[in-house]
Amino acid sequence: EVQLLESGGDLAQPGGSLRLSCAAPGFSLSSLAMSWVRQAPGKGLEWVSSISGSGRNTYYADSVKGRFTISRDSSKNTLFLQMSGLRAEDTAVYYCARGGVAAHFWFDPWGQGTQVTVSS
Amino acid sequence: DIQMTQSPSTLSASVGDRVTITCRASQNINTWLAWYQQKPGKAPNLLIYMASNLESGVPSRFGGSGSGTDFTLTISSLQPDDFAVYYCQQYNSYPYTFGQGTKVEIE
Repeated sequence: EVQLLESGGDLAQPGGSLRLSCAAPGFSLSSLAMSWVRQAPGKGLEWVSSISGSGRNTYYADSVKGRFTISRDSSKNTLFLQMSGLRAEDTAVYYCARGGVAAHFWFDPWGQGTQVTVSS
Repeated sequence: DIQMTQSPSTLSASVGDRVTITCRASQNINTWLAWYQQKPGKAPNLLIYMASNLESGVPSRFGGSGSGTDFTLTISSLQPDDFAVYYCQQYNSYPYTFGQGTKVEIE
C-alpha cells in the first residue's frame, strides 16, 4: 500500500521555524514530483509548494514564498518543508501528496496530515 | 493565477439522488482537472483525474466531465458514504488552485 507519513508539526511562536517531514515507506520518492498542501481550521485546501521529480525545480504559493523551502533527501526517501518566519495565518494541517513524473500532475495519495499551530 | 469556482457551496440531498457539482476555471485549463472527496478529520481522497478519468477503486457512480473552463462532478445515486466535502483542483499551471469546496449534506 502506498503511504505517506508526515511529522514535525507543532506549536510554534510567531516568527519561529519548523521543519516538516514526509516519509514514504514502501515506495521510492525519487523521480516523482511531490507537494505540500495545507488546510486552515474550517477552511478549504490551499496548495503550498511542489518540487519536481529531479528536485531541480521548486514552486511556491505567494503566501509562503521566501519563508518556506521544499526539499527532498533521496537517501532517506523523505520530503521536507522548512518553514521560517511563521505567522498566525500559517496555522493549518499540512499534507504531503505524491504527484507524478509528468509536468502536470494530480495529488494521490495524501498523507494523514500534521498540525502546525502558530501562536504566542 | 487561475481561479476555481465551485457551485453550489452546500448541497442537501437524499440517498439515491443524482447529484451534480460544477467547477469553473477563470481560464482554459484543457482537462487538467482533478476532483477530491474529503471527510471530517481525514485527508482528501482522489476521485477523478484528467477531468473524466475515474481513479482505481472509486465507485462507478462517480463521474467527471468537461474541458476548457467548465467541469462537472456527478454522483449518479448518492450513497450514505458520499456525504462529504468535494473539491476541484486545476493542475494546468502554478500556482495550483482548488475550488472552495462543496459540502454534500443529508436532506
